[in-house]
Amino acid sequence: KAGVTQTPRYLIKTRGQQVTLSCSPISGHRSVSWYQQTPGQGLQFLFEYFSETQRNKGNFPGRFSGRQFSNSRSEMNVSTLELGDSALYLCASRRLGGADTQYFGPGTRLTVL
Amino acid sequence: QQQVKQSPQSLIVQKGGISIINCAYENTAFDYFPWYQQFPGKGPALLIAIRPDVSEKKEGRFTISFNKSAKQFSLHIMDSQPGDSATYFCAVFQGAQKLVFGQGTRLTINP
Repeated sequence: KAGVTQTPRYLIKTRGQQVTLSCSPISGHRSVSWYQQTPGQGLQFLFEYFSETQRNKGNFPGRFSGRQFSNSRSEMNVSTLELGDSALYLCASRRLGGADTQYFGPGTRLTVL
Repeated sequence: QQQVKQSPQSLIVQKGGISIINCAYENTAFDYFPWYQQFPGKGPALLIAIRPDVSEKKEGRFTISFNKSAKQFSLHIMDSQPGDSATYFCAVFQGAQKLVFGQGTRLTINP
């Protein structure tokens, strides 16, 4: 079974631009979560989507948004990029919505110049 | 608020030794305690996980010890190998809520 895939793997943007990251979950998984990983803050939860609905949201500004499609694929958007948005953005999927094993993709490395 | 405290931040162990990483949590409502292993350039991979109704779980060289009353759980890596060199994260999970991660431990196994 194919794992979680994320595209693109690397991205360089400048301040003020916006970016869209994509995540394809493991087949059959309905929940997709997004995390931001930085050396200073570690792994921080952004939001979770389950059956196309945002179910949980972390403590990030409204510039961070996402959505999930009917095939469970998810996108994350960051508008008006800031230097501090430079990070590894990880997508994770799990089969159901409960305390279930969460599988991570390889991440998208975003660099904001 | 920091709900999970992980220690140590870095750890150096000789090949064949035992690596021990500890985590303490604050909320007793958590019901799933996974450990993730992350290599440079890769996403975290689930290593082993435990639920609060058991005190220990062993999978190969990896063991989780869980102390519910102390709100602590730890990862033990027996016979540590250079290939185990990675960053390890503990995490806690509550029902349908999010995973909350510890700050990570960079483990180095010297050959």
